[in-house]
Amino acid sequence: DIQMTQSPSSLSASVGDRVTITCRASQSISRYLNWYQQKPGKAPKLLIYAASNLQSGVPSRFSGSGSGTEFTLTIASLQPEDFATYHCQQSVSVPWTFGQGTKVEIK
Amino acid sequence: QVQLQESGPGLVKPSETLSLTCAVSGFSISNVHYWGWIRQPPGKGLEWIGAIHHSGSTNYNPSLKSRVTISGDTSKNYFSLKLSSVTAADTAIYYCARHYYDSGTRTVDIWGQGTMVTVSS
Repeated sequence: DIQMTQSPSSLSASVGDRVTITCRASQSISRYLNWYQQKPGKAPKLLIYAASNLQSGVPSRFSGSGSGTEFTLTIASLQPEDFATYHCQQSVSVPWTFGQGTKVEIK
Repeated sequence: QVQLQESGPGLVKPSETLSLTCAVSGFSISNVHYWGWIRQPPGKGLEWIGAIHHSGSTNYNPSLKSRVTISGDTSKNYFSLKLSSVTAADTAIYYCARHYYDSGTRTVDIWGQGTMVTVSS
């Protein structure tokens, strides 16, 4: 299985801050990397697919980059509704695997 | 608007079989893409269980493969999950989800709301 490792596991930030989350794969996954946002008690929501493509309806302050084994999710200016847990996921091979999640909390 | 809705028992006894159904509306499962299941133990991360293609072929997580069956009913537009010989470790929120496939893209783009299943006697 391909292991996905996110860093940090949690972070505290203020509204307006620029936030970056990193996801590393244990082997190359090309650009088969997706990012999801999950709020408490809710299902995950797709934010970014194929490493850098913004899902329809997702605010442009979210962006993704990377290829191979290292990827980043950036929130350009953190908004109150962005406090949540973020998951990366590889889809290059079965089984699809997720990172452990990064919880973004209010400072 | 595509919607997915899980249903099934919220409590299953150890060693028994967990059975869930996902009703799909707004899109035909016989059209394209895969349709699958993902779970999340309380307070933990997401685990991909498996998926079924519109043609009927399946992919399963090897860690669960011996216990998992995913099937589909195109006439009623739903798909199902069966997980046998459950233990407390199978306690989780179970999500059904559309696995979207396109050129260079494989992603889970639509999720059900999730259903909590507890394994306990």
